[in-house]
Amino acid sequence: GAVVSQHPSWVICKSGTSVKIECRSLDFQATTMFWYRQFPKQSLMLMATSNEGSKATYEQGVEKDKFLINHASLTLSTLTVTSAHPEDSSFYICSARPFGQTSNQPQHFGDGTRLSIL
Amino acid sequence: KNQVEQSPQSLIILEGKNCTLQCNYTVSPFSNLRWYKQDTGRGPVSLTIMTFSENTKSNGRYTATLDADTKQSSLHITASQLSDSASYICVVSGPFAGNMLTFGGGTRLMVKP
Repeated sequence: GAVVSQHPSWVICKSGTSVKIECRSLDFQATTMFWYRQFPKQSLMLMATSNEGSKATYEQGVEKDKFLINHASLTLSTLTVTSAHPEDSSFYICSARPFGQTSNQPQHFGDGTRLSIL
Repeated sequence: KNQVEQSPQSLIILEGKNCTLQCNYTVSPFSNLRWYKQDTGRGPVSLTIMTFSENTKSNGRYTATLDADTKQSSLHITASQLSDSASYICVVSGPFAGNMLTFGGGTRLMVKP
């Protein structure tokens, strides 16, 4: 089955540093990847839609300069949290839609990255 | 506004018992409804996906139902196991590739021995 891999799975860093999270589709090509944030005991909140070769589309309220998204290939999207602060601590999850997939097929989610900012 | 409401928010059952989780939605236009299982600290895993014309779909001990007229869905878990402890998320989508997923708040299920 389709596999989406996220790296790292857990990162702890000091306030003010930038953190890059990778999302890879391992056995399929994904023209579209999605980045979500999930706070404890809450459901996933879509942050942005990442399209290969073009600029990401951000949801209302998400700062594009703080959450930089790059989707340079059909199998890799990256999310960089710039100048991270404690309030950015969260569980970040990506998902990918295989190229040519219809809306009636499931998206495939990565296992998430737990980000803790001290 | 597209919304997906799930109930209950949390549930505790004994191992071996059955349970039913509910999902009501107001997403329009509607294309499909999905149930995902999310273990703590992991990403969601798809359990079932149902389109407008499907009333029920099973995946092992999980059976999902859909009533597109009343815009309600349920997920029934039979003979629960400890490994069923997780959050169960109902997700609704529109018919077009650009339609975003609308997520419910999830039901946190705990199965106790």
